[in-house]
Amino acid sequence: DTAVSQTPKYLVTQMGNDKSIKCEQNLGHDTMYWYKQDSKKFLKIMFSYNNKELIINETVPNRFSPKSPDKAHLNLHINSLELGDSAVYFCASSPHRVADPTDTQYFGPGTRLTVL
Amino acid sequence: DQQVKQNSPSLSVQEGRISILNCDYTNSMFDYFLWYKKYPAEGPTFLISISSIKDKNEDGRFTVFLNKSAKHLSLHIVPSQPGDSAVYFCAASRSGTYKYIFGTGTRLKVLA
Repeated sequence: DTAVSQTPKYLVTQMGNDKSIKCEQNLGHDTMYWYKQDSKKFLKIMFSYNNKELIINETVPNRFSPKSPDKAHLNLHINSLELGDSAVYFCASSPHRVADPTDTQYFGPGTRLTVL
Repeated sequence: DQQVKQNSPSLSVQEGRISILNCDYTNSMFDYFLWYKKYPAEGPTFLISISSIKDKNEDGRFTVFLNKSAKHLSLHIVPSQPGDSAVYFCAASRSGTYKYIFGTGTRLKVLA
């Protein structure tokens, strides 16, 4: 009964490849997020979708493309992977449609991406 | 431009004593603050939060204090237990946005 799940947990790939990370939440939440935690441990938001609509798009290279087929899923596709993309990527979700800061975000276990 | 700072990367405390984790922020528009706890190989889990209209929020062994004038918040854990050993992230948010801004975390080690 995992609330927010991500696959794969580990991903090792060569520079220049294209890869995807999948995220699913079974909490019935309307809003989903992708975060990146880099080697300095900064946890920074990349994207957010509310009911399949993009609402946050931080300064992220356009090699990163989120895709939300339905409100329970938010996948992250990365083209032409670079060494600097190596990080842990966390998916998260929160309940409400309205931008409410008291809307707690629930995180997945993370995907550790290593680009060689 | 780090708007949320946790200046202590690590902290060690004896079991049964108080753990105090600190967080500073620079953006006076933040009006909601949270603490998350993270174990290795897991995602962050929500611990406790506080709105800017309050200066204290308590939940069991965990209390968060907010000093708006100093732009400072702290998390107190009393008594500390070995299971509390984890990385603690402070986060801040502003009404009207979906964004959490996280600090870099403080690794707490509770010694038995």
